[in-house]
Amino acid sequence: AQKVTQAQTEISVVEKEDVTLDCVYETRDTTYYLFWYKQPPSGELVFLIRRNSFDEQNEISGRYSWNFQKSTSSFNFTITASQVVDSAVYFCALRRTYNTDKLIFGTGTRLQVFP
Amino acid sequence: DAGITQSPRYKITETGRQVTLMCHQTWSHSYMFWYRQDLGHGLRLIYYSAAADITDKGEVPDGYVVSRSKTENFPLTLESATRSQTSVYFCASSAGQFRHEQYFGPGTRLTVT
Repeated sequence: AQKVTQAQTEISVVEKEDVTLDCVYETRDTTYYLFWYKQPPSGELVFLIRRNSFDEQNEISGRYSWNFQKSTSSFNFTITASQVVDSAVYFCALRRTYNTDKLIFGTGTRLQVFP
Repeated sequence: DAGITQSPRYKITETGRQVTLMCHQTWSHSYMFWYRQDLGHGLRLIYYSAAADITDKGEVPDGYVVSRSKTENFPLTLESATRSQTSVYFCASSAGQFRHEQYFGPGTRLTVT
């Protein structure tokens, strides 16, 4: 079965703190894709990153970085020097490469960054 | 304006009524999706479409109907609305399979009374 677990329901930090959002996935597929989406208070879903299962290089984009570890089936997301504008719900998602095109979402982690 | 739009943004309807949620994208993406978002469940796929006139069920299709006569439109119809269908509905589109990310519309908040 395919599953994405985001065990942290809610995280609160103070501005400028670093914060890591955990994502653990389950799949028996050898090829798959992982995604992170951001849902700010306004409600829209914003695509952040896509990673395929053959590429375990970590990625950094400004204050955002992602750590993909196939050995532990994890795809964690770190925000460095958090800002109030980072306050949102963050979703991790898994997509298989055959049989279905659907994204399997985790239940999300609500991040609150206080000034 | 390019992108993916949904209408209406907010809708209140009564139990038993039929209601249609509209989704329109201007990218000519072949794939389109409908999700519902409920607290504690994340987003769950209702239906998806790989191309015009090709649709398939997702995880929670019961009580919903879709059609796709044109590539750019993917309406979702609740044939006889129930309170359990109160939710936020998101439409998404994708350029292709698998590796392509899905881009989401702004959502429709539906309340069934």
